[in-house]
Amino acid sequence: DAGVTQSPTHLIKTRGQHVTLRCSPISGHKSVSWYQQVLGQGPQFIFQYYEKEERGRGNFPDRFSARQFPNYSSELNVNALLLGDSALYLCASSPGGGWLSNTGELFFGEGSRLTVL
Amino acid sequence: KNEVEQSPQNLTAQEGEFITINCSYSVGISALHWLQQHPGGGIVSLFMLSSGKKKHGRLIATINIQEKHSSLHITASHPRDSAVYICAERNEKLTFGTGTRLTIIP
Repeated sequence: DAGVTQSPTHLIKTRGQHVTLRCSPISGHKSVSWYQQVLGQGPQFIFQYYEKEERGRGNFPDRFSARQFPNYSSELNVNALLLGDSALYLCASSPGGGWLSNTGELFFGEGSRLTVL
Repeated sequence: KNEVEQSPQNLTAQEGEFITINCSYSVGISALHWLQQHPGGGIVSLFMLSSGKKKHGRLIATINIQEKHSSLHITASHPRDSAVYICAERNEKLTFGTGTRLTIIP
């Protein structure tokens, strides 16, 4: 069975551009969450989606947006890129619902490494 | 200030040694995760626990809800255990520690 897949794996953008990152969850998983990991730091929570609805948002500016599609795949969009947006963007899926539910182990993709020049 | 604190930040040990990594959190949680991250960046979930103790192979995770503290233990450590180990508290969102970089020397 395929795990969580993310695309692209690597990309380079320039300041001011826009980027779209994609995530396909494990089959049957309805929850997708996104994280930003800057080099040398732990991941930071960006968004969680469950059943196509936003269920949680971290402390990120409105330049960051996401959505979940009927097949439970998800996109993370970042507008007006800044140098500080350079990071590894991780997606995780789980079968369960919101964070207050302790059902559902997390399964991570390999990440999309974004470099902003 | 990070709400999840890990110690030590870096740990180097000889193959075969018993390893302990600690995690303290500050608020009530629904669960606590232990994750392993290798140099390529991919993250593997090792444990999700909300009470007591879990064991998987040479890895053991414990949690003390009253003290808001969790530990990850590795018995008979091996060079392939070298990685960054991250704990994350789960309540209204997922908050990660900064990680412990473990290096096991043959």
